[in-house]
Amino acid sequence: AQRVTQPEKLLSVFKGAPVELKCNYSYSGSPELFWYVQYSRQRLQLLLRHISRESIKGFTADLNKGETSFHLKKPFAQEEDSAMYYCALINTGTASKLTFGTGTRLQVTL
Amino acid sequence: GAGVSQSPSNKVTEKGKDVELRCDPISGHTALYWYRQSLGQGLEFLIYFQGNSAPDKSGLPSDRFSAERTGGSVSTLTIQRTQQEDSAVYLCASRTGAGADTEAFFGQGTRLTVV
Repeated sequence: AQRVTQPEKLLSVFKGAPVELKCNYSYSGSPELFWYVQYSRQRLQLLLRHISRESIKGFTADLNKGETSFHLKKPFAQEEDSAMYYCALINTGTASKLTFGTGTRLQVTL
Repeated sequence: GAGVSQSPSNKVTEKGKDVELRCDPISGHTALYWYRQSLGQGLEFLIYFQGNSAPDKSGLPSDRFSAERTGGSVSTLTIQRTQQEDSAVYLCASRTGAGADTEAFFGQGTRLTVV
């Protein structure tokens, strides 16, 4: 079974402070990991994917297979980063079921 | 259409009534997903389709919930004898299914309120 865990429901940080949104997964095969974001009154959308090794809006995420983690990080939080963030996993074997965590609400305050 | 479309946007129904929620995926996308989003529960997986078949319907909460997809395109999620705990936002997403790294595109959701 595949499972994604986001331990924090709410993360509140000051503008300019570093951000780390935690994500742990369990899956016996070789997964592909993603971060999705939902801004206020907008659709859920892809933020970044592990395979691309990209940095989007200053965010990065590193896959740690030993710790089965895919934490999302940003060195300096901005007000516009306030949103709901979801970590997601798909199995590369069948490339089918897409499983999400319960989400973390990031609140960036002045 | 340019994106995933869901209808209706909002639905208020009386307890015990049946409701149908519709999803129009992006043309050509073979994989289609239904999720339920409620406060404190995050994104709860309900079912996914590959073409017209549903390899995994393990997330459907009860036998009151069913879904179908026809022509490899439109999907309908039906909830029979609605209960107040069914109130939530129901989200649909589609992917090309061509590879594990392909992006899922989401609809705007249907907000269901059972009174």
